[in-house]
Amino acid sequence: GAVVSQHPSRVICKSGTSVKIECRSLDFQATTMFWYRQFPKQSLMLMATSNEGSKATYEQGVEKDKFLINHASLTLSTLTVTSAHPEDSSFYICSARNPGGYEQYFGPGTRLTVT
Amino acid sequence: GQQVMQIPQYQHVQEGEDFTTYCNSSTTLSNIQWYKQRPGGHPVFLIQLVKSGEVKKQKRLTFQFGEAKKNSSLHITATQTTDVGTYFCAGRPNDYKLSFGAGTTVTVRA
Repeated sequence: GAVVSQHPSRVICKSGTSVKIECRSLDFQATTMFWYRQFPKQSLMLMATSNEGSKATYEQGVEKDKFLINHASLTLSTLTVTSAHPEDSSFYICSARNPGGYEQYFGPGTRLTVT
Repeated sequence: GQQVMQIPQYQHVQEGEDFTTYCNSSTTLSNIQWYKQRPGGHPVFLIQLVKSGEVKKQKRLTFQFGEAKKNSSLHITATQTTDVGTYFCAGRPNDYKLSFGAGTTVTVRA
């Protein structure tokens, strides 16, 4: 199946700093990628839909100025958590839809800890 | 908005026994998908159901889509330790976004 990578897998940052997370589709082109957030033992919450070459579509309640998404190419989307606070600590997962198909391929996730 | 409910939240199963997890939507779904997330891992696609009343099997896993396309179930027979993890259903109404259920976390007693 298709492979989606994420980098970094873990990051610890200080409050007030910004963190960039990369999501790459390794063997296919993804015009659309999705960013999710998952709290411990909870479900996946869709944060935004990243569209190549255009602005991301954010879900209700997600601050677009805090969670900056850039989908600059067909294989790369980035999520930047700006001015991070401890409450932003979470597991962030990206996914991309199989071109011409319906299943979503998830990256391995990024564990963000803000101290 | 559209919401997908999943029960039970936790399922503790004796190895060799069967169990079922259920998924219900407040609105009609165009399709429903199931994913499995192992502890510490990421969700992995299992299957998609599209047709009303559809039933699909993957070895010991049986997936069913309700007649009204508002509910779905996953039944696992003869549970093994490899079945440990969280199973998510994800419903797709008429737009492209998947709405994930809360998941059923399965633990197995040997």
